[in-house]
Amino acid sequence: AQTVTQSQPEMSVQEAETVTLSCTYDTSENNYYLFWYKQPPSRQMILVIRQEAYKQQNATENRFSVNFQKAAKSFSLKISDSQLGDTAMYFCAFGGAGSYQLTFGKGTKLSVIP
Amino acid sequence: EPEVTQTPSHQVTQMGQEVILRCVPISNHLYFYWYRQILGQKVEFLVSFYNNEISEKSEIFDDQFSVERPDGSNFTLKIRSTKLEDSAMYFCASSVTGPLYGYTFGSGTRLTVV
Repeated sequence: AQTVTQSQPEMSVQEAETVTLSCTYDTSENNYYLFWYKQPPSRQMILVIRQEAYKQQNATENRFSVNFQKAAKSFSLKISDSQLGDTAMYFCAFGGAGSYQLTFGKGTKLSVIP
Repeated sequence: EPEVTQTPSHQVTQMGQEVILRCVPISNHLYFYWYRQILGQKVEFLVSFYNNEISEKSEIFDDQFSVERPDGSNFTLKIRSTKLEDSAMYFCASSVTGPLYGYTFGSGTRLTVV
């Protein structure tokens, strides 16, 4: 079974600064996908960014980028130019190629301070 | 932007009662999911549904749970005889081509069993 570990329960960052959220995972699969989801106080989980394990290039979406280290099974999220609207819970998730489910980490609560 | 709609947003029920949580997935999506999040814990997979049948389910999804797509637009989760430990946030999600391009989640139903 896969596990996803987010070792930072809470983090804070000053507005306009950069912050990195950590995620590690454990799997024996070679083909899989990784995700970061954001859950603001409104509760709805929103897909932030997605990475395919067979791609070496790190995914980027505007101010959000990942550092994917397949050998180390690490998948960190970098948020640049943090904005107040980035305040949320951030969940890292793993999806195996042969499965319908995603396995989530416990989440990191990010607070952006004005 | 298309949304996954969940109703009600909060439901309180007595232990032993049956509850039905309702979801309207995005209209052109073919894969549907239920997840739950017990307060302070990680998001957990319950079940996935495709082509009018369950495609995968977790150990949590026992005989007390059932899912249905009764009319081609709604997707429901039924809990037959609720227990205190069923108190959680329940999220519905849908996707076009399977889970590995990311889901669209609804805002969740907070179920409180008293």
